[in-house]
Amino acid sequence: GQNIDQPTEMTATEGAIVQINCTYQTSGFNGLFWYQQHAGEAPTFLSYNVLDGLEEKGRFSSFLSRSKGYSYLLLKELQMKDSASYLCAVVDSNYQLIWGAGTKLIIKP
Amino acid sequence: ETGVTQTPRHLVMGMTNKKSLKCEQHLGHNAMYWYKQSAKKPLELMFVYNFKEQTENNSVPSRFSPECPNSSHLFLHLHTLQPEDSALYLCASSQGVRGAGGETQYFGPGTRLLVL
Repeated sequence: GQNIDQPTEMTATEGAIVQINCTYQTSGFNGLFWYQQHAGEAPTFLSYNVLDGLEEKGRFSSFLSRSKGYSYLLLKELQMKDSASYLCAVVDSNYQLIWGAGTKLIIKP
Repeated sequence: ETGVTQTPRHLVMGMTNKKSLKCEQHLGHNAMYWYKQSAKKPLELMFVYNFKEQTENNSVPSRFSPECPNSSHLFLHLHTLQPEDSALYLCASSQGVRGAGGETQYFGPGTRLLVL
């Protein structure tokens, strides 16, 4: 079957750096998305990786290794507003989007 | 963000009621989606419409009935729901050019549904 694994919950300190990992086993691969979802709000797009390597976008970076079935989202200079759930989703060979259950990130002062 | 709107935001209904959820997108997209989001579970794709044609129905019970009158509007009609249907129902849209899953999706804020 197809599977996306990411930690259920993580805690980090304001101003620090946190890495949220996502591993996947899917039938084929056509890209990987990261979305951010604040409590009670809509998921919003953060990043899309289809080639190996690191994509940097301000304080957020996303990394992909297709050979390892692995991605991470790196958040730098954490702010309280970064407290949210982070959803990893993989596009399989049929262009179906397979979602992880999300990682709830708690930022402490 | 008003690209995708959903009404109502909250809904409480009995198991014998009939209600409808509405979604509207103002992004000029051609694909629209209904998802169910339950606590600590992955998003469950329910229905996909691309250029007003239903392209996916992921084994959703018939008590959920979608309707897509045009590319900007999507409805989810609900009848005789069960308590386990209580969840957040999210609508999303995308350009609809590539395969539905391969595009960035833009989500509405969701309808929080409670079935008593």
